[in-house]
Amino acid sequence: NAGVTQTPKFQVLKTGQSMTLQCAQDMNHNSMYWYRQDPGMGLRLIYYSASEGTTDKGEVPNGYNVSRLNKREFSLRLESAAPSQTSVYFCASSTGPTNTGELFFGEGSRLTVL
Amino acid sequence: GENVEQHPSTLSVQEGDSAVIKCTYSDSASNYFPWYKQELGKRPQLIIDIRSNVGEKKDQRIAVTLNKTAKHFSLHITETQPEDSAVYFCAASRAPGGYNKLIFGAGTRLAVHP
Repeated sequence: NAGVTQTPKFQVLKTGQSMTLQCAQDMNHNSMYWYRQDPGMGLRLIYYSASEGTTDKGEVPNGYNVSRLNKREFSLRLESAAPSQTSVYFCASSTGPTNTGELFFGEGSRLTVL
Repeated sequence: GENVEQHPSTLSVQEGDSAVIKCTYSDSASNYFPWYKQELGKRPQLIIDIRSNVGEKKDQRIAVTLNKTAKHFSLHITETQPEDSAVYFCAASRAPGGYNKLIFGAGTRLAVHP
């Protein structure tokens, strides 16, 4: 079992460029999430998908879009990257949608926007 | 929305001492409170969680206490070991109904010195 897999692990962008972070889980989980982690600010929820076919905004959605492609895959897109989006991005999944329970995180994607 | 504050931001202890990390939350409807541990360069992983119908939960050297009236919960680590060195995050959510939309604290960097 791979768990939660994110790609790419590292990316450097120039301001204004676009990119998509890919996330896939093989645990048959219903819910998936994108968080960003910045020093001193913990993990902040960008978007989440409670179940296949639904997405909703989290705490910091501005500048991002998401797509729940199918039950396994949840992608995060930056349409026009800004230096403020330099961060480590974590995808996570959980059994969801109404069950509380463990979040399983991917290894993270480190994004630098110049 | 929910806001979670975590203290202290850094904590340094000697091996064998106890460590306590405290969190407060703002949403009185929150009823699920997990703690995640993140080792350097790794993904966050769940170490213990507590639900609002329980005041305390223990798992070997770690314990979590919850005071719903005061809206705060704490992580207690006894007999600390160097491998306990990591960043610890508390989180809160309301579920069911709020899915598993966890709001995290800013984190506590724990250093255990031999």
